[in-house]
Amino acid sequence: EAGVTQFPSHSVIEKGQTVTLRCDPISGHDNLYWYRRVMGKEIKFLLHFVKESKQDESGMPNNRFLAERTGGTYSTLKVQPAELEDSGVYFCASSQVGDQPQHFGDGTRLSIL
Amino acid sequence: QKEVEQDPGPLSVPEGAIVSLNCTYSNSAFQYFMWYRQYSRKGPELLMYTYSSGNKEDGRFTAQVDKSSKYISLFIRDSQPSDSATYLCALIQGAQKLVFGQGTRLTINP
Repeated sequence: EAGVTQFPSHSVIEKGQTVTLRCDPISGHDNLYWYRRVMGKEIKFLLHFVKESKQDESGMPNNRFLAERTGGTYSTLKVQPAELEDSGVYFCASSQVGDQPQHFGDGTRLSIL
Repeated sequence: QKEVEQDPGPLSVPEGAIVSLNCTYSNSAFQYFMWYRQYSRKGPELLMYTYSSGNKEDGRFTAQVDKSSKYISLFIRDSQPSDSATYLCALIQGAQKLVFGQGTRLTINP
């Protein structure tokens, strides 16, 4: 069984540009989560999808971040325009049902110059 | 105050030692308790998952939860160099989002 896949593994962009991160969850997992770790801090929750619906987006930092999950399969997280403080590692996780353990991808390392 | 406190270390022990990793939390609403292991440049990998007070054992790993003290622990017996990684505690309350500790960087020296 394939695990959670994230693309790209690393992205370097300039401040003001747009970046889109992609996450492919484990097949059959309805729950998809985005998390972020900025340098020196703990991993923090961004948002949670159940199928294609946003269940909880309380962790999204501001309206420069837009997450979508059209069709309830893969998800994208767009940052537009990127700011320096957006640098960090963005993780995606999925679970079959909400109270089951979440399985993580290897993350996208985002560097804003 | 953070919801979950975890000493970031680093922690360095000799091969074969028993390792004790700990987290404390402030919100008694947390229901599920997890330990993840993270190798460099990789995502967190689930090690242990429990929802009740007491001990849960899996091979060389034992997770311990004390809800009355809001304290969770992970013990690693017969530690191996391959156990060198960052260990993250993670807790869930009803909203299903994980709340992580900062992670403890562990090194097992041969």
